[in-house]
Amino acid sequence: GDSVTQMEGPVTLSEEAFLTINCTYTATGYPSLFWYVQYPGEGLQLLLKATKADDKGSNKGFEATYRKETTSFHLEKGSVQVSDSAVYFCATDKLIFGTGTRLQVFP
Amino acid sequence: ETGVTQTPRHLVMGMTNKKSLKCEQHLGHNAMYWYKQSAKKPLELMFVYNFKEQTENNSVPSRFSPECPNSSHLFLHLHTLQPEDSALYLCASSDDPTETNYGYTFGSGTRLTVV
Repeated sequence: GDSVTQMEGPVTLSEEAFLTINCTYTATGYPSLFWYVQYPGEGLQLLLKATKADDKGSNKGFEATYRKETTSFHLEKGSVQVSDSAVYFCATDKLIFGTGTRLQVFP
Repeated sequence: ETGVTQTPRHLVMGMTNKKSLKCEQHLGHNAMYWYKQSAKKPLELMFVYNFKEQTENNSVPSRFSPECPNSSHLFLHLHTLQPEDSALYLCASSDDPTETNYGYTFGSGTRLTVV
């Protein structure tokens, strides 16, 4: 069946560092792909999405490119802030989520 | 406020209690979902309702009983739970479960502790 694999966290960075959170998927066909963010004590919020191969989703300085050849959708940000500390989930449109990756950013 | 409201935010219940979780959305969405979020596990889809009809039940134990009286409200009735049922229960909604290019809108969750 379909699945999503994310890198294990926590990912610990200093403010202004470059962020990459890896996500790979297995699926039948070409699903839409999403990144969600969960801040402490909150539900998940949609961060960005891509609906087809080579699409790049972007929002709030975060980017992810749909790579069909590597079945990946890695999340990147050039300069993280303390306020980006949260748990990030990669997901497909078939209701399949990864385990989440906790990001901790220190000043 | 995300548009999906869950109550209560926190719930502590004994194994012999009966309680209900409530979810409400006024986004005009037709599909609603219950997810279970446990530490270090992927989000587990529990139930899917589309136009008030249950379309998916992912082998959830019968001690969890969903109810969807209309497309804006979703309940999860709980009875004789086990300590391993302690988790964050998330409600979500979307326009259409078969076409989710717009993603889901999640509530803030109910943190359930079974003692």
